[in-house]
Amino acid sequence: DGGITQSPKYLFRKEGQNVTLSCEQNLNHDAMYWYRQDPGQGLRLIYYSQIVNDFQKGDIAEGYSVSREKKESFPLTVTSAQKNPTAFYLCASSMGPAGGPVNEQFFGPGTRLTVL
Amino acid sequence: GQSLEQPSEVTAVEGAIVQINCTYQTSGFYGLSWYQQHDGGAPTFLSYNALDGLEETGRFSSFLSRSDSYGYLLLQELQMKDSASYFCAVHASGGSYIPTFGRGTSLIVHP
Repeated sequence: DGGITQSPKYLFRKEGQNVTLSCEQNLNHDAMYWYRQDPGQGLRLIYYSQIVNDFQKGDIAEGYSVSREKKESFPLTVTSAQKNPTAFYLCASSMGPAGGPVNEQFFGPGTRLTVL
Repeated sequence: GQSLEQPSEVTAVEGAIVQINCTYQTSGFYGLSWYQQHDGGAPTFLSYNALDGLEETGRFSSFLSRSDSYGYLLLQELQMKDSASYFCAVHASGGSYIPTFGRGTSLIVHP
């Protein structure tokens, strides 16, 4: 079955530690995205990638880093510089670049990160 | 920048019809999407409007008025499983066409 996987579902870390969240898709989608969701809030864009080896900052990129070495994978690192990292993190992908004829985003199940 | 307004919560009874409104402010508007998210789950795509008018998909319909910067999601024959959060999201050239999401509307369906 095609889809997006994120692991782990729940993650606990101590303050000051970097942590990497995994996102893998087998939908053969070009574009991938990372969003952060806080309670009662919408989704805020952290980073996105339209093509392998290229990525762009979103609205709240500070304290985060990404890589896109393979089409299928778009890991997100939450660094110690992120002041309030506890949140629900969602990865998504879409068939083509944003603005193309197909705009639907497919989301993974999310990772709930708690920093103690 | 872009901004969206939608009600924080809507309640309705099973079998009823409910409308969730969304108003937006943006430059370079391209289209409006709607997503559904059950508690703790992943958002799932419901609809996309680029042109004025109503798009119907089963029990769900979505409407857009570009001149009024307004859209709505219409849910008919409500079922308990429709209890979820609903997000509108605007696509605009200023945001590289990537959807900017509203804060979401929590729909509570009562028996």
